[in-house]
Amino acid sequence: GAGVSQSPRYKVAKRGQDVALRCDPISGHVSLFWYQQALGQGPEFLTYFQNEAQLDKSGLPSDRFFAERPEGSVSTLKIQRTQQEDSAVYLCASSPSGTQNTGELFFGEGSRLTVL
Amino acid sequence: DQQVKQNSPSLSVQEGRISILNCDYTNSMFDYFLWYKKYPAEGPTFLISISSIKDKNEDGRFTVFLNKSAKHLSLHIVPSQPGDSAVYFCAASGSARQLTFGSGTQLTVLP
Repeated sequence: GAGVSQSPRYKVAKRGQDVALRCDPISGHVSLFWYQQALGQGPEFLTYFQNEAQLDKSGLPSDRFFAERPEGSVSTLKIQRTQQEDSAVYLCASSPSGTQNTGELFFGEGSRLTVL
Repeated sequence: DQQVKQNSPSLSVQEGRISILNCDYTNSMFDYFLWYKKYPAEGPTFLISISSIKDKNEDGRFTVFLNKSAKHLSLHIVPSQPGDSAVYFCAASGSARQLTFGSGTQLTVLP
């Protein structure tokens, strides 16, 4: 497809389970971002990749969160030992620009995680 | 510490009238501002942006105004249409690559 694709769209996990969320950015886009959106809030930054390099992971809330983009294309966000407060929509976004701050981001539809 | 604030969670306007959505920011290092629109079960989509060197940017029915001294920006939609009903997020960026978002305003345009 032409847009950013995320899977799964919906995930229900029991507390303590590990989950993996996948993002397929737009082909050729250099920059990839992960955001977390809690109910009724705006997206909050988690981490940023430029190609395969993770340049900023300052938004990851704990060491249970891990992201990778090994070949500079598809990215996976992994959450270990999920907690109820991890319940949110996880948004992936990509951008063709690797350097400019002014480029718009193209968002996927998100993966809604519910931790019981 | 919310660096980007949208103080109105919701706004209702009549079709054909002007919609004005407001946003305030606290970080003076922000130099680029964007508005995103979000429909239910979809990701946010880019709407319009403005650089800090400008005070106005217009694109069709959408105009964004920036008041740097007040650290305030607004989005004007005129005339408003029922299809404009969505959540609107204000976002800002500075030296860091990521965007900082506000909490959103739900706009409802009544036919």
